[in-house]
Amino acid sequence: KAGVTQTPRYLIKTRGQQVTLSCSPISGHRSVSWYQQTPGQGLQFLFEYFSETQRNKGNFPGRFSGRQFSNSRSEMNVSTLELGDSALYLCASSFGGQGSGNTIYFGEGSWLTVV
Amino acid sequence: QQPVQSPQAVILREGEDAVINCSSSKALYSVHWYRQKHGEAPVFLMILLKGGEQKGHEKISASFNEKKQQSSLYLTASQLSYSGTYFCGTEDTGRRALTFGSGTRLQVQP
Repeated sequence: KAGVTQTPRYLIKTRGQQVTLSCSPISGHRSVSWYQQTPGQGLQFLFEYFSETQRNKGNFPGRFSGRQFSNSRSEMNVSTLELGDSALYLCASSFGGQGSGNTIYFGEGSWLTVV
Repeated sequence: QQPVQSPQAVILREGEDAVINCSSSKALYSVHWYRQKHGEAPVFLMILLKGGEQKGHEKISASFNEKKQQSSLYLTASQLSYSGTYFCGTEDTGRRALTFGSGTRLQVQP
């Protein structure tokens, strides 16, 4: 069974640009969550999508957005990139979604560097 | 508010034991433990649920004190492969999303 797949794995963008990251969850999983990981802040929750609806959202500015398609694949978009957006962006999938003790499974992440 | 993990870092020799702690100021429904090696995805280790249920690796043990909102991960007879950063994620009773601690870096030396 394939795991969570994220693309691209590495990318470099210039300040002010926008970026779109993609995540394919484990087959059969309906929930996709996104996290930002930085050395100083650890894993910070961005948002969760379940069956194409945003179910939960973290404390990030509106420049961070996402969506989920009918096949459960998800994309995350960051507009007007800032240097501080440089981070590892992790996607996690779950069958039942976050909550109620459901397990989430992470992908290897997309490394974003903003210069 | 994210859970607090301690210690922040620990160095062990092969065969030694370690305990990693995770505490929260909120009433918890579950605690999740993950290990992440550099450049790799965090890997699920264990879930501890309110009420005592546990799911996870057979060789990993952990505890969850519901009254104190604390969890501990026990690593016994450590092996080189145990090296990595350990994260606890907590699910409080009011919010569905997992909130992660800042991690504990564990290094096992020969």
